[in-house]
Amino acid sequence: GDSVTQMEGPVTLSEEAFLTINCTYTATGYPSLFWYVQYPGEGLQLLLKATKADDKGSNKGFEATYRKETTSFHLEKGSVQVSDSAVYFCALSMFSGGYNKLIFGAGTRLAVHP
Amino acid sequence: EPEVTQTPSHQVTQMGQEVILRCVPISNHLYFYWYRQILGQKVEFLVSFYNNEISEKSEIFDDQFSVERPDGSNFTLKIRSTKLEDSAMYFCASSADRGRGYNSPLHFGNGTRLTVT
Repeated sequence: GDSVTQMEGPVTLSEEAFLTINCTYTATGYPSLFWYVQYPGEGLQLLLKATKADDKGSNKGFEATYRKETTSFHLEKGSVQVSDSAVYFCALSMFSGGYNKLIFGAGTRLAVHP
Repeated sequence: EPEVTQTPSHQVTQMGQEVILRCVPISNHLYFYWYRQILGQKVEFLVSFYNNEISEKSEIFDDQFSVERPDGSNFTLKIRSTKLEDSAMYFCASSADRGRGYNSPLHFGNGTRLTVT
């Protein structure tokens, strides 16, 4: 079945470091891909999305490119801040006749230190 | 910005007891969902709900689970007889319209942590 695999955390970085969180997917069709973020004590928030191959989603300095050839959607940020500390979830959505049934990865915890 | 609210934030219950988790979706949204996350595991889809009926449910959503929209604002998840393995964070979500996600992103609540003892 459809699935998402993301790198295990925690990822610990110093402020202004470069961030990469790897995400790969398995899907029978052509999914839409998402990154969600969960800040401490809060719900899941949509960070960025991409709906077709080679699309690049971006928001708040984060970017991810939909790579069909490698079935990947890696999250990157050039210079992280302490306020980026959170859990990041990669997810996919297939239009199966249902609605927004999201399939999530396990989440990657990011800790950024000053 | 409107948000999805869930109550309570933490619920402790004894095995075999019934529990109701409550959610107030965003007011103009039409589609409602429950997801759950067992500690250390993935966020999993449970059920979607539209026009007062279940649209889709996962294998997890067995006869012990039910959902209801009892009035114009609340959306509830009931577990009839809780088991230890029901301990998890339960997330409610809502979206405005049908689509492939990019047209109608899900808005999630902060979750209810359910602990079954």
